[in-house]
Amino acid sequence: KAGVTQTPRYLIKTRGQQVTLSCSPISGHRSVSWYQQTPGQGLQFLFEYFSETQRNKGNFPGRFSGRQFSNSRSEMNVSTLELGDSALYLCASSLDLERRETQYFGPGTRLLVL
Amino acid sequence: GQQLNQSPQSMFIQEGEDVSMNCTSSSIFNTWLWYKQDPGEGPVLLIALYKAGELTSNGRLTAQFGITRKDSFLNISASIPSDVGIYFCAGQLGGGSNYKLTFGKGTLLTVNP
Repeated sequence: KAGVTQTPRYLIKTRGQQVTLSCSPISGHRSVSWYQQTPGQGLQFLFEYFSETQRNKGNFPGRFSGRQFSNSRSEMNVSTLELGDSALYLCASSLDLERRETQYFGPGTRLLVL
Repeated sequence: GQQLNQSPQSMFIQEGEDVSMNCTSSSIFNTWLWYKQDPGEGPVLLIALYKAGELTSNGRLTAQFGITRKDSFLNISASIPSDVGIYFCAGQLGGGSNYKLTFGKGTLLTVNP
């Protein structure tokens, strides 16, 4: 079974631009969560989607948004990029909301904002 | 919000040695999780702990859920070079839309062959 895939793997943007990252969960998984990983703050939860609905949200500004499609694929968008948005963005999928602790992470998208 | 203190931040050990790392919190958790992250990859779940006092093993790895529900430790016995990576603890609280997973900052493990 293929794992969680994330595209692109690497991205360079400049301040003020916007970016869209994509995540394809493991086949059959319906819950997708997004995390931001930085050396200073570690892994921080962004949001979680299930059945095309946002079910949970972390403490990030409204510039960070996401959505989930009917095939469970998810995208996250960051508008008006800031230097501090440089990070590894990880997506994780799980079967459903009841088994979140057995979520599987993708390899991440490394975003550099210049 | 909850804060997780994970220690040590880094360890440099010889192959064959045992390793111990731990996480403490000012708040209680319902579940403790331990992950390992290799370079260029996402974290992989190693052990999940669901009950205070629970001691669980996965091969050479052993983890315990502290009695107070505010701490957990992970031991690795007889380390090998492929144990190199960053180990994260995570505490979980709440369910449904209140589900919250808080991660420690990680322990970087280096194993010298």
